[in-house]
Amino acid sequence: AQSVTQLDSHVSVSEGTPVLLRCNYSSSYSPSLFWYVQHPNKGLQLLLKYTSAATLVKGINGFEAEFKKSETSFHLTKPSAHMSDAAEYFCVVSVTYNTDKLIFGTGTRLQVFP
Amino acid sequence: EPEVTQTPSHQVTQMGQEVILHCVPISNHLYFYWYRQILGQKVEFLVSFYNNEISEKSEIFDDQFSVERPDGSNFTLKIRSTKLEDSAMYFCASVGQLGNSPLHFGNGTRLTVT
Repeated sequence: AQSVTQLDSHVSVSEGTPVLLRCNYSSSYSPSLFWYVQHPNKGLQLLLKYTSAATLVKGINGFEAEFKKSETSFHLTKPSAHMSDAAEYFCVVSVTYNTDKLIFGTGTRLQVFP
Repeated sequence: EPEVTQTPSHQVTQMGQEVILHCVPISNHLYFYWYRQILGQKVEFLVSFYNNEISEKSEIFDDQFSVERPDGSNFTLKIRSTKLEDSAMYFCASVGQLGNSPLHFGNGTRLTVT
């Protein structure tokens, strides 16, 4: 069965410092993986997706993630945090090759301090 | 950019009452979904809908729940007799085709059952 584990429920960084949000996945086949972001009182916005093309995926707002099959990881990074990055981040895996059903991680709340 | 629109943003209802949550998916999309997020918990799949019928539903989606596409634009979720534990944020999503396309989510409807 497909699943994702987000290793940190909360991450706090200072503005201008790097961000690392960790995600490990479990899948019986080559998965499609996504990161979604949820700002307070907002919907779920797609940050980036991995679908078996390049292992380093670039997303919006300067975020990127690297698919590492050997480590079953798909960590989200950003070189320099901005105050506006404060939000909840979800690592997501698709159940089948298509996106008919998504399995969400428990989320990581990112706090950014000035 | 086209958006998935959900109304209302917040719905308060009394236990035992029927409630209908409304969604307008992106106009040329063919696959529709409902997810929910109980406060403090992960986002969970409820149901997927294609070609005017349910394609998959989770064990959460019991007989109290139903979905409908009453016209060419709306996609509704009905809860027949609400329970306290139905209080959650409900997200509608749509996608144009299955494969590598990510789901587009609405901003959600926060349902509070008192």
